[in-house]
Amino acid sequence: GQQVMQIPQYQHVQEGEDFTTYCNSSTTLSNIQWYKQRPGGHPVFLIQLVKSGEVKKQKRLTFQFGEAKKNSSLHITATQTTDVGTYFCAGPPGGYQKVTFGTGTKLQVIP
Amino acid sequence: DAGITQSPRYKITETGRQVTLMCHQTWSHSYMFWYRQDLGHGLRLIYYSAAADITDKGEVPDGYVVSRSKTENFPLTLESATRSQTSVYFCASRRQGMNTEAFFGQGTRLTVV
Repeated sequence: GQQVMQIPQYQHVQEGEDFTTYCNSSTTLSNIQWYKQRPGGHPVFLIQLVKSGEVKKQKRLTFQFGEAKKNSSLHITATQTTDVGTYFCAGPPGGYQKVTFGTGTKLQVIP
Repeated sequence: DAGITQSPRYKITETGRQVTLMCHQTWSHSYMFWYRQDLGHGLRLIYYSAAADITDKGEVPDGYVVSRSKTENFPLTLESATRSQTSVYFCASRRQGMNTEAFFGQGTRLTVV
């Protein structure tokens, strides 16, 4: 079955440093979504990428979808304490009903 | 506008007991999902449903049963709870279509003792 791995599993950064998490799927994805889960909370949708090579920005966050549509990345510039949480990628392989989530990257920001 | 709600928020049960986690959404979304979240495993799909009376297994369905007689409800039942089913359970829903976001409930923290 499809597997979606994220690296790193954990990341501690000093406030102001940049952060990147990578998402790799064993199968080609029709699209990829990113979610953020604050500590003690539930996942909340951030963004979706559909096209091969697509890049989208949300303020300090930059999302990229790989050319082969099997990988993606999320880059945060100049992290803030409000960025703390776990970031998940999610993608449907082929059929779009079954959305599989990545293993997640937990970000800690040290003030 | 309640959105998607789960109940109970916290539950402690004994090994071998049957327990049902409830999920209700007010958007009439076609798709509904149950995930469990465990440290180091991210969110793993248990079951999902494309519409009322249509359900299918996810990655980790063993020991769980679902039903969906109405579009808005998607209960998850643990027929005979085991300690390995101690977890945080999330219900989610999304509209029909390829590029739609999932909305998650607040989660149910289940402890099996």
